[in-house]
Amino acid sequence: ETGVTQSPTHLIKTRGQQVTLRCSSQSGHNTVSWYQQALGQGPQFIFQYYREEENGRGNFPPRFSGLQFPNYSSELNVNALELDDSALYLCASSSLAGESPGELFFGEGSRLTVL
Amino acid sequence: GQNIDQPTEMTATEGAIVQINCTYQTSGFNGLFWYQQHAGEAPTFLSYNVLDGLEEKGRFSSFLSRSKGYSYLLLKELQMKDSASYLCAEFPYNTDKLIFGTGTRLQVFP
Repeated sequence: ETGVTQSPTHLIKTRGQQVTLRCSSQSGHNTVSWYQQALGQGPQFIFQYYREEENGRGNFPPRFSGLQFPNYSSELNVNALELDDSALYLCASSSLAGESPGELFFGEGSRLTVL
Repeated sequence: GQNIDQPTEMTATEGAIVQINCTYQTSGFNGLFWYQQHAGEAPTFLSYNVLDGLEEKGRFSSFLSRSKGYSYLLLKELQMKDSASYLCAEFPYNTDKLIFGTGTRLQVFP
């Protein structure tokens, strides 16, 4: 069983630039969620994708956007980067069926630094 | 995690027992999760409580009281490798997202 993989693991951008982060979900999972985790904080929900459609969004501005592909992999795009966007971006896949629906399987994250 | 409250930091000694508390304010939810996160790593699943009571899994146990909006994670026979952040997360009704607390950073000393 392949786990959740994310790329890149680390990247540095400057203010105003754009970034794309990628995620491959765990085998058998059709739902992908993205979370932002600032240093010393818990993960904050950005949005979720189910069957290529956005299925819920947290309190993030429209410059945070995403995509899900037919193979359930996903992208997170952030435009017009700001310093406060510096964080660990976590992708998590899940399945609504099973013993603990909603249980998230996290990737290792992409650590973004905005200078 | 504006609706979830847990202590910021705790310390304990190897071999001891520690209880990490979590309170939440959601009026209805599907269940409550606990995740462990080592520094620089992804969170990993520890437990999921739907009904009131205690769920035991080896050295780790989790308790839930829905009427009191309260949960705790109990760690027994602490080991150095248990030094990590412990995240409490609620799974609200009619959503497919988890709402995380800020996490409790546990340091285990020899």
